[in-house]
Formats: sequence, structure tokens, C-alpha cells
Amino acid sequence: AQRVTQPEKLLSVFKGAPVELKCNYSYSGSPELFWYVQYSRQRLQLLLRHISRESIKGFTADLNKGETSFHLKKPFAQEEDSAMYYCALTTQGGSEKLVFGKGTKLTVNP
Amino acid sequence: EAEVAQSPRYKITEKSQAVAFWCDPISGHATLYWYRQILGQGPELLVQFQDESVVDDSQLPKDRFSAERLKGVDSTLKIQPAELGDSAMYLCASSLGQTYNEQFFGPGTRLTVL
Repeated sequence: AQRVTQPEKLLSVFKGAPVELKCNYSYSGSPELFWYVQYSRQRLQLLLRHISRESIKGFTADLNKGETSFHLKKPFAQEEDSAMYYCALTTQGGSEKLVFGKGTKLTVNP
Repeated sequence: EAEVAQSPRYKITEKSQAVAFWCDPISGHATLYWYRQILGQGPELLVQFQDESVVDDSQLPKDRFSAERLKGVDSTLKIQPAELGDSAMYLCASSLGQTYNEQFFGPGTRLTVL
């Protein structure tokens, strides 16, 4: 069975500091990994996906198959990055459903 | 910009009552998902439709939950009878349905069962 683990429920950093949100997954095949974000009073939305290899709002995520991790990183956090972040995976050839982690609440302090 | 619509936004009901939630996906999106999000958890898939057909309902408690997407457009999720443990956020999402396509989420329906 697929599982996504986000070990930090809460993460607090100061503006301008680097931030890393951890995500580990378990799946025997080759999953596709995503980060979704929910800003205050807004809908859950896609932040970035591994397959696109892109950087969104300064965030990047590297898939490490050896460590089964997909950590989200940003070198200089901004106050507007404060939000709930969810790591998710979907399986190749499957029903395309997303399996989510429990989420990490990021607070960027001024 | 097209968005997924859901109604109602909030629903308070007593246990043993019936409740229904409605979702209107983005036009042209073949795949529709219903997720349940319990407080402090990530969303968990309840049911997935491809057009009007159910693709995955393995986590849907079928003794009390039902879902339909009769014309392959909008969808209804029903709970009868509601139980205290059903209190949660119910999220609808849609996608074009192609491999690894982005899912667009609605605002959700917050259900409270008393």
C-alpha cells in the first residue's frame, strides 16, 4: 500500500531563512510525487510536481529514490509562504488518485 | 477562471439524518474525485469517477455513503444515516483525467454531525 509521511506537523522559520519541509513515501513501484499547498481561506492547489522539474514561487523538490523522499525546499522564506503544505503521490498506471500526507503547517515569522 | 463549485459550504446535522453534497467540476474535466479530510489529516479519496463510471470506491463506506455522476458532469455524495464520526471536510476535485494531470479542488463542504 502507498503511504506518505510528513514528520513535522508544525514548522516555524524567520523571513529570509531557508526552509525544508520533509516528505517520505513508501510504494513498491515508481510513484509520481506532488506538493499541494493551502493558503489561509483558499483552496487546496498544486504547488509543484516532480515530473515537471520546475521551480514554483522559489520552491524546489528533489526526488531521492534511494531515501524515498521528496523534500520541499526554499532558500529564503517569505511571509506569504505561510500555509499548509501537503505531500502527495499517485501511482503509475493506477486510478490517478492522490495519496496525501498529513500535512505540515509552515509559519514564516517577520 | 473556471473553478470547481461545491455546495453547501457548511452543513450541520444530527446523527441518523441524511445529508447530500453537490459538486460541479470544471467544464470538460472527465475525472471527478470526492475526498474526505478529517481534522489534522490529509485528504483521503472516497470515490473517483471517469465520466459517469466509478473507477475507485474502495474507501467508500458503502453501507451509508453513495455517490453518483449521472450525466458525467456534476456529482452528488450522500450519507444516510450520518454518524458522529462523519464530521469532516468533504472535498471535490476534478481533472482532465490524463496521466498525472493536475487536480483542481473545490472549497469543500464542512460537515458537523451532532
